[in-house]
Amino acid sequence: NAGVTQTPKFQVLKTGQSMTLQCAQDMNHNSMYWYRQDPGMGLRLIYYSASEGTTDKGEVPNGYNVSRLNKREFSLRLESAAPSQTSVYFCASSDRGGSSPLHFGNGTRLTVT
Amino acid sequence: GNSVTQMEGPVTLSEEAFLTINCTYTATGYPSLFWYVQYPGEGLQLLLKATKADDKGSNKGFEATYRKETTSFHLEKGSVQVSDSAVYFCALSDHGGSQGNLIFGKGTKLSVKP
Repeated sequence: NAGVTQTPKFQVLKTGQSMTLQCAQDMNHNSMYWYRQDPGMGLRLIYYSASEGTTDKGEVPNGYNVSRLNKREFSLRLESAAPSQTSVYFCASSDRGGSSPLHFGNGTRLTVT
Repeated sequence: GNSVTQMEGPVTLSEEAFLTINCTYTATGYPSLFWYVQYPGEGLQLLLKATKADDKGSNKGFEATYRKETTSFHLEKGSVQVSDSAVYFCALSDHGGSQGNLIFGKGTKLSVKP
């Protein structure tokens, strides 16, 4: 079982460049999430999708867009990368949200110069 | 709003020592509480959870009891191993939020020396 798969694992961008982070889950989960992890900040929610066809902003959505392509896939796009977006990005999924546990991918380490 | 506060690290212990990582929370209603663990280079994994007051979650020798009277969910292990070296996150489910989002503490890094 692959679980939650994120690509790429590492990426370096120049300021102003764009890119899309890909995430796919094979657990038939309804809800999917994008978090960023910064030193001393814990995890902060960027966007989430409670079910196929819906997306909503989390705590830190500025500078990002998302697409819930189908039940399996949830992508995160940076239209014009900024150094403040240097971070480790995690995708996660859960069955129903609430008390259902999150299943995380292994992360994408993004550096913006 | 809802929040989670956990003890700052890093915590360094010798193998077989007793571990406590403190976690307290602020929440309206009755959240579920979680501990997640992150090993180097990996994503977070659920370690244990408790869904109501006085529940005890346990897994891999770790335990935590949901204490509503002290709004706490402290993580304990009687005898740590080198393989327990990781970052530990306390979290609560924000049932009041429309999405059932998890709110995470900032994480506590544990290093266990042989």
